[in-house]
Amino acid sequence: AQSVSQHNHHVILSEAASLELGCNYSYGGTVNLFWYVQYPGQHLQLLLKYFSGDPLVKGIKGFEAEFIKSKFSFNLRKPSVQWSDTAEYFCAVIPYTGFQKLVFGTGTRLLVSP
Amino acid sequence: DAGVTQSPTHLIKTRGQHVTLRCSPISGHKSVSWYQQVLGQGPQFIFQYYEKEERGRGNFPDRFSARQFPNYSSELNVNALLLGDSALYLCASSLDGPYEQYFGPGTRLTVT
Repeated sequence: AQSVSQHNHHVILSEAASLELGCNYSYGGTVNLFWYVQYPGQHLQLLLKYFSGDPLVKGIKGFEAEFIKSKFSFNLRKPSVQWSDTAEYFCAVIPYTGFQKLVFGTGTRLLVSP
Repeated sequence: DAGVTQSPTHLIKTRGQHVTLRCSPISGHKSVSWYQQVLGQGPQFIFQYYEKEERGRGNFPDRFSARQFPNYSSELNVNALLLGDSALYLCASSLDGPYEQYFGPGTRLTVT
């Protein structure tokens, strides 16, 4: 079945460490790509999105993601994490096949220790 | 500006009962989508409405239904509740379609 995969379910980092969260999708053709974040006790909110153009996308709070079409990947990165980055991160895709809807990955829980 | 609001916050129901969840979109947003998030999973798309018309439906049984009102608020109804319907139900609004969605805090439904 077509899907969005996030291979890291739980990640634990120390402050100032670098972060990379993997996201792969299995849809062919054109896709729109997103990373959402859910901080403890808060709503899901959009971190960044890719529609077209430069495959390196910069989002809020120092996050960036790179779209690699040949690898069907859209990995999230941050050079130096902070304790406040502790949250659950969701990769999501809108495939341009059939009805266009957001398809989410299973999420990655990030814990940053001070 | 007020964000997306959902009510109630929490709900406990018994198997076989019916439930109605409500969502008010951001002012000016005409599209509302509903998602189900089971513990340990990402949100799964249930419905999308735009201008009171259903635009799309996810892979959910007919026990799930929804509607959108002239003020763009929306209701999600679930009949004949099953234990497996226990989840966080999220509402998201946008100007149009799934591209710039703003999520509400969700309604936590527990079915016993």
